[in-house]
Amino acid sequence: QVTLRESGPALVKPTQTLTLTCDFSGFSLTTSRMCVSWIRQPPGKALEWLARIDWDDDKYYSTSLQSRLTISKDISKNQVVLTMTNMDPVDTAMYYCARLESGTYSSFEYWGQGTLVTVSS
Amino acid sequence: QSALTQPASVSGSPGQTITISCTGSSSDVGGYAYVSWYQQYPGKAPKLMIFDVTKRPSGVSNRFSGSKSGNTASLTISGLQAGDEADYYCSSYTSSRTYVFGTGTKVTVL
Repeated sequence: QVTLRESGPALVKPTQTLTLTCDFSGFSLTTSRMCVSWIRQPPGKALEWLARIDWDDDKYYSTSLQSRLTISKDISKNQVVLTMTNMDPVDTAMYYCARLESGTYSSFEYWGQGTLVTVSS
Repeated sequence: QSALTQPASVSGSPGQTITISCTGSSSDVGGYAYVSWYQQYPGKAPKLMIFDVTKRPSGVSNRFSGSKSGNTASLTISGLQAGDEADYYCSSYTSSRTYVFGTGTKVTVL
């Protein structure tokens, strides 16, 4: 059974760096074709894809946010970590991690419940 | 990368068939067979309903179907039920090796 769970600070101040952790089970990021992404959703707004990390450590980032994002994995802990620098109130959102469908990597098959991050001074 | 365009809302009566459109460009929807659809209830995480344009994950009702023509993909819900009332988002892989989501559609069952 695949599960993912996000964790991180509920409140960050503007200009601070956000670090989010995705703890997962039911699969390993050492297994070929396994990939995990981060996706966010501001309150009342649409989903926005942020980043993806693959089993072979390939990494992909949103074009508009790539200068602020870093995605990494800790195989021993079954974790994927996302850092976002220079946080701004517009970054207030629910942040989800999701495992990609392993055939074509085209869709997000399993999702965590999300963690709400508010950016405010 | 601009969000894919979806109608803000679609409604129908129980038993009816509705279709939600998702319009992109040749760099995303039109260029790949990698469109997916997600159902999201308030306060809940999205759920994958359709992937690779037409495929249904195990456990998803066959009342949900997907298609694509040119730069526009569509999600069709047949035999509309009260439990289908939710927000729906499309997504596509892009030529930049990224992903883009749609603007979202609220489905209301009258």
